[in-house]
Amino acid sequence: DAGITQSPRHKVTETGTPVTLRCHQTENHRYMYWYRQDPGHGLRLIHYSYGVKDTDKGEVSDGYSVSRSKTEDFLLTLESATSSQTSVYFCASAPGSGEKLFFGSGTQLSVL
Amino acid sequence: ILNVEQSPQSLHVQEGDSTNFTCSFPSSNFYALHWYRWETAKSPEALFVMTLNGDEKKKGRISATLNTKEGYSYLYIKGSQPEDSATYLCASLFSGTYKYIFGTGTRLKVLA
Repeated sequence: DAGITQSPRHKVTETGTPVTLRCHQTENHRYMYWYRQDPGHGLRLIHYSYGVKDTDKGEVSDGYSVSRSKTEDFLLTLESATSSQTSVYFCASAPGSGEKLFFGSGTQLSVL
Repeated sequence: ILNVEQSPQSLHVQEGDSTNFTCSFPSSNFYALHWYRWETAKSPEALFVMTLNGDEKKKGRISATLNTKEGYSYLYIKGSQPEDSATYLCASLFSGTYKYIFGTGTRLKVLA
């Protein structure tokens, strides 16, 4: 299995505070993704990266930003968390375009 | 808007039954179709990656077919077992983008 870890695993925060989630992979995968999972919606793409410093928006990018300063790390930032951003966040990576995704264990984020 | 749809949303079958699910996707600019298995409290794991029209893949009792011209894929499970209980996700990748767009999944429960 690809070594892909997310931190933290759980976080509770207050509305209006900034939050950063980290995804770290040790497989030298080029592509990395952030999804959120909500009941009835499946996995929805927030942002993705196709290389160091190369990122683009997904379906539900409003209120989120990302950064990828090195291959192994992909950071997701909620600039000012809102209750609608309470969700489970999954990071995934792929070695090449079209290849299978490897997922992290998820981060449960609660915004109160 | 790239929309990937799955049906049914959920399914209960008896042990030993065979079953199948559908994934529908826009046929234009198709690049790849993935199937993932997602067990409760775990992360999604890839079952199949398919790219060519008419592709058929098999892994044990699970198989999948792909029709890119009409924009659908079927996942079949032969002789369902309780351990097959999971959510099955499909994801489509389109030419000119690195986005994997997921359907909302089919939740399968196999009753012993």
